[in-house]
Amino acid sequence: AQKITQTQPGMFVQEKEAVTLDCTYDTSDPSYGLFWYKQPSSGEMIFLIYQGSYDQQNATEGRYSLNFQKARKSANLVISASQLGDSAMYFCAMSPFRGSARQLTFGSGTQLTVLP
Amino acid sequence: GAVVSQHPSRVICKSGTSVKIECRSLDFQATTMFWYRQFPKKSLMLMATSNEGSKATYEQGVEKDKFLINHASLTLSTLTVTSAHPEDSSFYICSARKGMSTGAPGANVLTFGAGSRLTVL
Repeated sequence: AQKITQTQPGMFVQEKEAVTLDCTYDTSDPSYGLFWYKQPSSGEMIFLIYQGSYDQQNATEGRYSLNFQKARKSANLVISASQLGDSAMYFCAMSPFRGSARQLTFGSGTQLTVLP
Repeated sequence: GAVVSQHPSRVICKSGTSVKIECRSLDFQATTMFWYRQFPKKSLMLMATSNEGSKATYEQGVEKDKFLINHASLTLSTLTVTSAHPEDSSFYICSARKGMSTGAPGANVLTFGAGSRLTVL
């Protein structure tokens, strides 16, 4: 079984500052993928970044970077230079390598509010 | 890119009626689609895995007779909420993956529809 834990129900950050959203996970699978999705108030799920469990380097996508610490089973999302449009719900998720379905298991989410 | 269209985006129905939600992959074929349910301010909970040409796989606790899933083609999956009740009111989101489910999960990232907000009066 896989479990994702996001301990921050809400976070505030000042515009142009960096913010870290925490995510820890638990799995018995030797290989897995970790994802971050953004969900604005409109509801759609927007893919942000992916990290494979065997990737040697931390993933980066523009202003998003993933601080992957495998031994600690953490996959924190770092957003640099926050913008007002970053205000949204953020979900950490994981998927096993095994099996053909590869469905995602989501954490409870963190509501990020960027302050002007 | 990979685009998933979900329709309708909002639906209001009377208790006891059935509602159908469509999920279409617009520019790719998807042998597998997923249906999630989300309560306000909560996480996405996987309801079922929709498989083209075969029966859906339901998660524990999800009533298969209540939530009928049909994956009739490689680009369309439908979720029908039968005999809807107010407790079925929720946000339903589908997702699909472009390409084969082999190799690393990130090789083919799941794309989500925009969701369907169901309100049962």
